[in-house]
Amino acid sequence: DTAVSQTPKYLVTQMGNDKSIKCEQNLGHDTMYWYKQDSKKFLKIMFSYNNKELIINETVPNRFSPKSPDKAHLNLHINSLELGDSAVYFCASRSTGTGEAFFGQGTRLTVV
Amino acid sequence: GNSVTQMEGPVTLSEEAFLTINCTYTATGYPSLFWYVQYPGEGLQLLLKATKADDKGSNKGFEATYRKETTSFHLEKGSVQVSDSAVYFCALSRQGAQKLVFGQGTRLTINP
Repeated sequence: DTAVSQTPKYLVTQMGNDKSIKCEQNLGHDTMYWYKQDSKKFLKIMFSYNNKELIINETVPNRFSPKSPDKAHLNLHINSLELGDSAVYFCASRSTGTGEAFFGQGTRLTVV
Repeated sequence: GNSVTQMEGPVTLSEEAFLTINCTYTATGYPSLFWYVQYPGEGLQLLLKATKADDKGSNKGFEATYRKETTSFHLEKGSVQVSDSAVYFCALSRQGAQKLVFGQGTRLTINP
């Protein structure tokens, strides 16, 4: 069973389009994140949710809108995609007890 | 604020060489410290962790010791293998804090 799964794994789209990435965790964690990883592998936190409530929003353009329908799901919707949005996006969930974060496989977004 | 600084990469070594990847941190209080590893095409996975000063985390032959006096958590392995080629991330989290802060990552390549 995959602990944190995100779909799709690859996403190629044109500038100006709107797209969504879905994430689900089956670990029972209360905390979930979205991270963006650039071509140099630098990881930048975008959003953090705790039990469906937005806790961290790290100066991300408002074209990015996270949605958490329940604590096992955290989706990311992106409007009006730009070339600079091309990156790998990782979803993660985190155990409050151990502090360990579990990551999904990533979604490679390419905007052309 | 809290931050993590890792040694600049990339690092290239021969098989069976000794590995050190330096990591220093800035944080208030007593953070937990982590090393994550990212193999090609995959998400990050926890390699080891330490939650208090002088703790040593270890896994798969890798070790790191939480040094409060030098605010460091250097990753070491006595004899690396080709399969250790990956990107390594040092990270910290303050007790009770939502945010998991990552260093910039260090790409390691092991040649046979």
